[in-house]
Amino acid sequence: QSVLTQPPSASGSPGQSVTISCTGTSSDVGGYNYVSWYQQHPGKAPKLVIYEVSKRPSGVPDRFSGSKSGNTASLTVSGLQAEDEADYYCSSYAGSINFVAFGGGTKLTVL
Amino acid sequence: QVQLQQWGAGLLKPSETLSLTCAVYGDTFSGHYWSWIRQPPGEGLEWIGEINQSGFTNYNPSLKSRVTISLDTFKDQFSLRLSSVTAADTAVYFCARGTHYTGYEYWGQGTLVTVSS
Repeated sequence: QSVLTQPPSASGSPGQSVTISCTGTSSDVGGYNYVSWYQQHPGKAPKLVIYEVSKRPSGVPDRFSGSKSGNTASLTVSGLQAEDEADYYCSSYAGSINFVAFGGGTKLTVL
Repeated sequence: QVQLQQWGAGLLKPSETLSLTCAVYGDTFSGHYWSWIRQPPGEGLEWIGEINQSGFTNYNPSLKSRVTISLDTFKDQFSLRLSSVTAADTAVYFCARGTHYTGYEYWGQGTLVTVSS
């Protein structure tokens, strides 16, 4: 059972926006601005798309954006494209036990 | 271009020790953390632990008693050892560069380790 809670699935049509949530506690998501998001296509290694809640690594399109409110972080994918169909995982630092927690993953389907 | 290439035994018996190595190309250990993350088949990601250039380590508390991550700066490699494996340790194991505040930006290709008698 994952420490962080994500919806198992999300979907949207091409061009639309989709938001995926990641809920933790004040000991992890709510306590630190160290939330990251990863995109994983089947059989591939995860790819970092957001770090420190809302920062994008070089090369990641600005269609990907991140935010946080209280104990819940969110990833928004705007202008959905077919290649965005993948599993998405959030992670957060849990400083009290010096631990990195992951969410259970959300399967994003582009209709 | 940073690349991580990993290898190790893919089939183990219960109670044996898992051993994986990750070679780093196009980068140095200086200024970075180097991590191991695993993913059971069809499941989510689990953080195993990390090591920095000085050899300082952090481990997942649930695995801490069985895990050792080490660094070989001369070979530009870092390694994972997990002792007393059981079927619950069956997973794809990934090496990665990064830590909680940088995110894991570079990943190895993954190694499927199956524990079966």
